[in-house]
Amino acid sequence: SQTIHQWPATLVQPVGSPLSLECTVEGTSNPNLYWYRQAAGRGLQLLFYSVGIGQISSEVPQNLSASRPQDRQFILSSKKLLLSDSGFYLCAWRRLAGGWEQYFGPGTRLTVT
Amino acid sequence: EDQVTQSPEALRLQEGESSSLNCSYTVSGLRGLFWYRQDPGKGPEFLFTLYSAGEEKEKERLKATLTKKESFLHITAPKPEDSATYLCAARNQAGTALIFGKGTTLSVSS
Repeated sequence: SQTIHQWPATLVQPVGSPLSLECTVEGTSNPNLYWYRQAAGRGLQLLFYSVGIGQISSEVPQNLSASRPQDRQFILSSKKLLLSDSGFYLCAWRRLAGGWEQYFGPGTRLTVT
Repeated sequence: EDQVTQSPEALRLQEGESSSLNCSYTVSGLRGLFWYRQDPGKGPEFLFTLYSAGEEKEKERLKATLTKKESFLHITAPKPEDSATYLCAARNQAGTALIFGKGTTLSVSS
């Protein structure tokens, strides 16, 4: 069976500090991978998606970036955090050959102070 | 612009009181309608995918239906453990991503 991990689970960072959130998927190969941000009252906002190693598409221009150094690893980064970066960050995966449903990780709660 | 709207924003039910959640969509060439359940502080959990009008899917006390303009999540005789936020999402003909609604928060009291 497939499992998706995210860490850390919670993070409190000062404004201007760097960020690195990690997501890994087990039990599948060549998944599509996604980063979402969920802010209160605003729903899920797609940030980045990847169809393969080194292939990243950005949906929203911002001070965040994403990388996919390995098939089942997806990293969300920032060089300098803003207050507006606070939120609940979710990683998701989809089977390459299958339906379009996405499966979500447990999430990372980021608070920028 | 493609859009998914869920109503009501919040719903409070007594245990055993059946009801429905609504998801209306304006999506160019629907290629799937998805329902998720999200508990506080956790990631969404996949429930159903519907692909064509008239299709229905069931799981325990939940039944999802799809028309050409909206989807309903029917909850029959809910229990307190059904309390959660229910998210609806759609995929259009061009996208690799899902378009999410803001969700309906369901509270079921005993």
